Amino acid sequence: GQNIDQPTEMTATEGAIVQINCTYQTSGFNGLFWYQQHAGEAPTFLSYNVLDGLEEKGRFSSFLSRSKGYSYLLLKELQMKDSASYLCAATDSNYQLIWGAGTKLIIKP
Amino acid sequence: ETGVTQTPRHLVMGMTNKKSLKCEQHLGHNAMYWYKQSAKKPLELMFVYNFKEQTENNSVPSRFSPECPNSSHLFLHLHTLQPEDSALYLCASSQDLEGAVVGPQHFGDGTRLSIL
Repeated sequence: GQNIDQPTEMTATEGAIVQINCTYQTSGFNGLFWYQQHAGEAPTFLSYNVLDGLEEKGRFSSFLSRSKGYSYLLLKELQMKDSASYLCAATDSNYQLIWGAGTKLIIKP
Repeated sequence: ETGVTQTPRHLVMGMTNKKSLKCEQHLGHNAMYWYKQSAKKPLELMFVYNFKEQTENNSVPSRFSPECPNSSHLFLHLHTLQPEDSALYLCASSQDLEGAVVGPQHFGDGTRLSIL
């Protein structure tokens, strides 16, 4: 079956760095998305990886290894406003999205 | 501004009621989606409309009925729901290529539905 795994919850300190991992098993693969969702709000698009390597966007970076079925989202210089859930989603061979359950990130002062 | 607007934000209804959720997108996208989001579970895709044609129905119970009158509007009609249907219902839109998700999805803030 198709499956996305990511940790349920993580805690980090303001100003620090945190890495949120995501592993996927899909029938075929055509890219991986990361979304951020604050409580009570809409998920918002963060990044998209289709080739191996690191994509950097300001404080946020996303990495993909297709051979390992693995991605991570790296958040630097954490701010309190980064407290949110982070959703990983992979597109399969039919370009349909398979979603993870999300990682709730708690930032402490 | 998300570009995708959902109403109402909150809805409480009895199991015998009939209500509708509304979604409108102002992004010029060609595909719209309904998702169900329950606590600690992955987003569940319910329905997909591409160019106003329903292209996917993921075995959703018939008590949920979608309607897409044009590429900017999407409705979810609800009737005789069950307590387990209480969840956040999210609408999304994207610019797809013949039913393939090739671009990021833009979400509305959702409707928090509670069934008494």
